Amino acid sequence: DQQVKQNSPSLSVQEGRISILNCDYTNSMFDYFLWYKKYPAEGPTFLISISSIKDKNEDGRFTVFLNKSAKHLSLHIVPSQPGDSAVYFCAAPQGGSEKLVFGKGTKLTVNP
Amino acid sequence: NAGVTQTPKFRVLKTGQSMTLLCAQDMNHEYMYWYRQDPGMGLRLIHYSVGEGTTAKGEVPDGYNVSRLKKQNFLLGLESAAPSQTSVYFCASSFYSWTGNDEQYFGPGTRLTVT
Repeated sequence: DQQVKQNSPSLSVQEGRISILNCDYTNSMFDYFLWYKKYPAEGPTFLISISSIKDKNEDGRFTVFLNKSAKHLSLHIVPSQPGDSAVYFCAAPQGGSEKLVFGKGTKLTVNP
Repeated sequence: NAGVTQTPKFRVLKTGQSMTLLCAQDMNHEYMYWYRQDPGMGLRLIHYSVGEGTTAKGEVPDGYNVSRLKKQNFLLGLESAAPSQTSVYFCASSFYSWTGNDEQYFGPGTRLTVT
């Protein structure tokens, strides 16, 4: 059973527009979420996180929103740039432990 | 500060052969992890370690063994490689955190093909 779901395998947006990447989770015990970004032939790198005590966290062009009642979070990138083209993974620590559960990822393509 | 490094970057094995993947980190992290990434499957945890001399199973441990003899190194072994183990393997590390909320730092990956 997949505890973290990213239902859109891919997303394509125009440069300058907003990119919205979605993530749903099934485990109501999750209290912290992370987004990782991965370029081809490289390892994932941490992008932004959010604690369940917040509903929004911003870092420059990146904002993550958390809707606990819907068990849904989203990553907004504004404005999108071609360098943002990558695979984005949503993740959550399992049971407050050191183990991360990852979604399958969404491939974002930002067209010039 | 090299971060997390992995050796080798690429490898082709024949079915039944064995090999060891080496992960090294220079950030003095307590926790280390091995993941595999397959198309459409995201990242799946194979084994992990919460400190020198300790190891634990993750989500997909079968066919793999690990050792953490030194804090900075985490080895992943395949005793008898199978085509199903064709994948990209990532090592990661993180600081100790009782909340489990520390970000993980990933290596560049090892692409393994088993024929």
